Amino acid sequence: ETGVTQSPTHLIKTRGQQVTLRCSSQSGHNTVSWYQQALGQGPQFIFQYYREEENGRGNFPPRFSGLQFPNYSSELNVNALELDDSALYLCASSPILGTSRNEQFFGPGTRLTVL
Amino acid sequence: DAKTTQPNSMESNEEEPVHLPCNHSTISGTDYIHWYRQLPSQGPEYVIHGLTSNVNNRMASLAIAEDRKSSTLILHRATLRDAAVYYCILRDMNRDDKIIFGKGTRLHILP
Repeated sequence: ETGVTQSPTHLIKTRGQQVTLRCSSQSGHNTVSWYQQALGQGPQFIFQYYREEENGRGNFPPRFSGLQFPNYSSELNVNALELDDSALYLCASSPILGTSRNEQFFGPGTRLTVL
Repeated sequence: DAKTTQPNSMESNEEEPVHLPCNHSTISGTDYIHWYRQLPSQGPEYVIHGLTSNVNNRMASLAIAEDRKSSTLILHRATLRDAAVYYCILRDMNRDDKIIFGKGTRLHILP
């Protein structure tokens, strides 16, 4: 069973640029969530996708957007990068929507640095 | 969303039991208590969850107070590999979207 994978592992961008981060969910999982983790803080929920539709969003501006594909992999896009966007971006997949008893399986994250 | 309160950090000796406390005085009847941990340079990983009764699995035990306003994660025999940030989280059983993480407890294991 392959776990959650994310690419790239590290990325450096400059302010104002756009970035796309990718996530492959664990086999059999149809729900993907994205989180932002600033240094020394807990992860903060960005949004979740279920069957290619957004299913819940945290307190992030519209320049944070996402996609989920038919194979349940996902992308996180951030436009007009700001210095405060520097963080570890985590993707998590879970097997089915409908109960909070389901654990989320996290990938290792993508470290984004905005200069 | 209900909030949890955890100590910022704790220390324990290797091969001894560790009790990580969590207060959640505003917990609602539909909230499950979940614990995740985050090892250095990794994403969080699920540890255990429970609703009302104490729970055991291969990683840890979860002791839940009778009024459910607090809980304790128990690592029976800590190893160096258990050094991590431990997050106590409440999740509404009727929803399955976000996990709300606090700052967690940073657990240091002394050899």
